[in-house]
Amino acid sequence: DIQMTQSPSSLSASVGDRVTITCRASQGISNSLAWYQQKPGKAPKLLLYAASRLESGVPSRFSGSGSGTDYTLTISSLQPEDFATYYCQQYYSTPQTFGQGTKVEIK
Amino acid sequence: QLQLQESGPGLVKPSETLSLTCTVSGGSISSSSYYWGWIRQPPGKGLEWIGSIYYSGSTYYNPSLKSRVTISVDTSKNQFSLKLSSVTAADTAVYYCASHRTRLVRLDWFDYWGQGTLVTVSS
Repeated sequence: DIQMTQSPSSLSASVGDRVTITCRASQGISNSLAWYQQKPGKAPKLLLYAASRLESGVPSRFSGSGSGTDYTLTISSLQPEDFATYYCQQYYSTPQTFGQGTKVEIK
Repeated sequence: QLQLQESGPGLVKPSETLSLTCTVSGGSISSSSYYWGWIRQPPGKGLEWIGSIYYSGSTYYNPSLKSRVTISVDTSKNQFSLKLSSVTAADTAVYYCASHRTRLVRLDWFDYWGQGTLVTVSS
């Protein structure tokens, strides 16, 4: 199985801050990476797929980049509604696996 | 826009079989663009993919659960179902169903999710 490691596990930030979350795969995944946002008590919501493609309806302040084993999710200017937990998912191979999550909290 | 809704018992006894159904609306479960998947999340923990099924009945399972999992599809009802046998407390989780994008039998990302249902394993 491909292991997905996110860092940091949690972070505190203020509204307007630029936030970056990293996801590292245990082997190369050729941009086969999705990012999700999950708020308490809710289902995950797809933000990006193919490492950098924005899902329809997702604000442009969210962006993704990376290649090989290392990928990042960036929120250019954190908004109050962005405080949530973020997960990466690799779909390069089965079983598909998720990172452990990064909780973004209010500073 | 697709909508998915999980249904089934919220409490299952240890050693018994967990059974859940997901009803798809807003689109056909026979779409060539999707497999249909189950994902679970133990309380306070991360996400684990359980398995996915195509409308034809083709399945992929997570090897960690494969010996206990059966996923089936009923195209006439636009539903797919999960059975997990011999459950223990470790199977207590929120279970989500989701649409699983596919290209040429390759499984991709999950774009639509159900709201999730908490299943507790306890006597």
